[in-house]
Amino acid sequence: GAVVSQHPSWVICKSGTSVKIECRSLDFQATTMFWYRQFPKQSLMLMATSNEGSKATYEQGVEKDKFLINHASLTLSTLTVTSAHPEDSSFYICSARGLAGAPAQYFGPGTRLLVL
Amino acid sequence: SQQGEEDPQALSIQEGENATMNCSYKTSINNLQWYRQNSGRGLVHLILIRSNEREKHSGRLRVTLDTSKKSSSLLITASRAADTASYFCATGDSGNTPLVFGKGTRLSVIA
Repeated sequence: GAVVSQHPSWVICKSGTSVKIECRSLDFQATTMFWYRQFPKQSLMLMATSNEGSKATYEQGVEKDKFLINHASLTLSTLTVTSAHPEDSSFYICSARGLAGAPAQYFGPGTRLLVL
Repeated sequence: SQQGEEDPQALSIQEGENATMNCSYKTSINNLQWYRQNSGRGLVHLILIRSNEREKHSGRLRVTLDTSKKSSSLLITASRAADTASYFCATGDSGNTPLVFGKGTRLSVIA
């Protein structure tokens, strides 16, 4: 089946620093990638949708200047948390979809971010 | 935004019993999917049911979908301790929109 990887799997950083998370589709081309955030004991909340070669579409309440998303190729999307603060500590999960309209959405294993 | 609610929010059962979780949603859908998530881990896709289907089986899993009531249920039969996890429903429409997740049910299966 389709595999999506994320790197790193966990990261600890100091407040004020920026953190980049990579999401890769390993064996298929992902025309669309999605970024979700999950706080402890809560569900996944969609942050943004990115299509290869175009700007990401952010959900209401998600700061696009704080969460920079780049989808430069059909197999890689990156999420950069800029000037991270403790409240940004969360579990970030990406997912990828291949063919447009296909229902399958493949999820990465997630990245746990802890901002001290 | 989230699509709807899972019910119950938490469920604790004995090993061997059946577990039933319900999911309600608000908008029209093309498909509904169920996922499992072990604590602190990624999502595992369990089953997808399309809007024109009413019931689907996969091993010990049985999923029903009632589009008139905008609800779905996930039944896990003969539960095992390893089934302990959070279970989420997620709805998708036709097109390129992302899955929208419900709040989830935390299932504990006690050996």
